Amino acid sequence: SAVISQKPSRDICQRGTSLTIQCQVDSQVTMMFWYRQQPGQSLTLIATANQGSEATYESGFVIDKFPISRPNLTFSTLTVSNMSPEDSSIYLCSVGTGTGPGEQYFGPGTRLTVT
Amino acid sequence: GNSVTQMEGPVTLSEEAFLTINCTYTATGYPSLFWYVQYPGEGLQLLLKATKADDKGSNKGFEATYRKETTSFHLEKGSVQVSDSAVYFCALKGSSNTGKLIFGQGTTLQVKP
Repeated sequence: SAVISQKPSRDICQRGTSLTIQCQVDSQVTMMFWYRQQPGQSLTLIATANQGSEATYESGFVIDKFPISRPNLTFSTLTVSNMSPEDSSIYLCSVGTGTGPGEQYFGPGTRLTVT
Repeated sequence: GNSVTQMEGPVTLSEEAFLTINCTYTATGYPSLFWYVQYPGEGLQLLLKATKADDKGSNKGFEATYRKETTSFHLEKGSVQVSDSAVYFCALKGSSNTGKLIFGQGTTLQVKP
């Protein structure tokens, strides 16, 4: 399994501002994903981060709100733009090999509070 | 589309009790099935997995059997410990090659000494 780190681990931000979350993996991986976990809720996939091309967003999520970069096979960023209190969540990145059973391995998450 | 349904929580058990957390799914084709665990203040960890009908995934005393006839993947443990207190998520990966996981809503387990 891959070792995944995220920065920052938590942050408190004011509404209207933006926060960029970094995800670093210790090995090259095919697939990287970004999830949101709202308080007391399950995980919702935001997008698949594609290396060298635009991310693939799920229904209800748009690039203007959640721009994603993936410059190489070990690193990705998610920006939460023009934040509102409804964006208060844990944001998690995960990686998958794209082969076999398809399990994913998750980073520790970034706990975001918007005031 | 694909979906996963878990039993409502929270589940509260005494130490050494038997645990079952129900999970059923809806999917076309032959999905892979997973259980993830989230300990307090931590990220998700893969607990176990199964890739085809009648496969049994097991880890740390937990087991789950892929039952295609009942579209279920129930999590069981014969004797829970206080350290098993966590949120448990059932998830599936469909037959497509997008790699996406679909998660159930999560079940909170609290084990009391």
